[in-house]
Amino acid sequence: QVQLVESGGGVVQPGTSLRLSCAASGFSFSRNGMHWVRQAPGKGPEWVAYIRNDGSNKYYEDSVKGRITISRDNSKSTLYLQVNSLRAEDTAVYYCAKGKSDYSNYVFDYWGQGTLVTVSS
Amino acid sequence: DIQMTQSPSSLSASVGDRVTVTCRASQSINVYLNWYQQKPGKAPELLIYGASRLQSGVPSRFSGSGSGTDFTLTISSLQPEDFATYYCQHSYSSPLSFGGGTKVEIK
Repeated sequence: QVQLVESGGGVVQPGTSLRLSCAASGFSFSRNGMHWVRQAPGKGPEWVAYIRNDGSNKYYEDSVKGRITISRDNSKSTLYLQVNSLRAEDTAVYYCAKGKSDYSNYVFDYWGQGTLVTVSS
Repeated sequence: DIQMTQSPSSLSASVGDRVTVTCRASQSINVYLNWYQQKPGKAPELLIYGASRLQSGVPSRFSGSGSGTDFTLTISSLQPEDFATYYCQHSYSSPLSFGGGTKVEIK
């Protein structure tokens, strides 16, 4: 079965950087577009970034452009999110999500359990 | 960018009730509209994609309709496990976005 397991979250100070990972299994990772979606406490989900199956195209939400980089290693079936210059408003649960490749990679058909990032001094 | 507006933001209903949630897009998105259910402490789960297509494993009491800018999620007979928050999301183009959510509570 599809499994997505995020890691790398924690309590970090403003202005620092963090790299999140998402280990994928149970499907052909190299054939699927992948996303990061975050959810601040008590708020709705917010799409953050997308990467095409081969890494050739990447898209970002406007408010994070320039601070966030999505990447993947298909040989390790792992998705990454590098977040720089962390701000209090980046505090959220970060989910990786799989694109529904049999219909549209912009539909999230499986999600991980999430990893909490708390930005606080 | 496309903005998604859901209504109501919350509702109270009883088991067995028919429940309708509405989502409106700020521009036409054809049928590129999806619905998710989220329970406390859990990740969202896909219910409906392409406005009306039921995701595998989702009970048939859930249905979706609409096209263009106006969409509806209907639960035909509310069950105890359906008390949750529901979000719409457009998949028309980047940047993707979600509606603000509708919390379905027990009456």
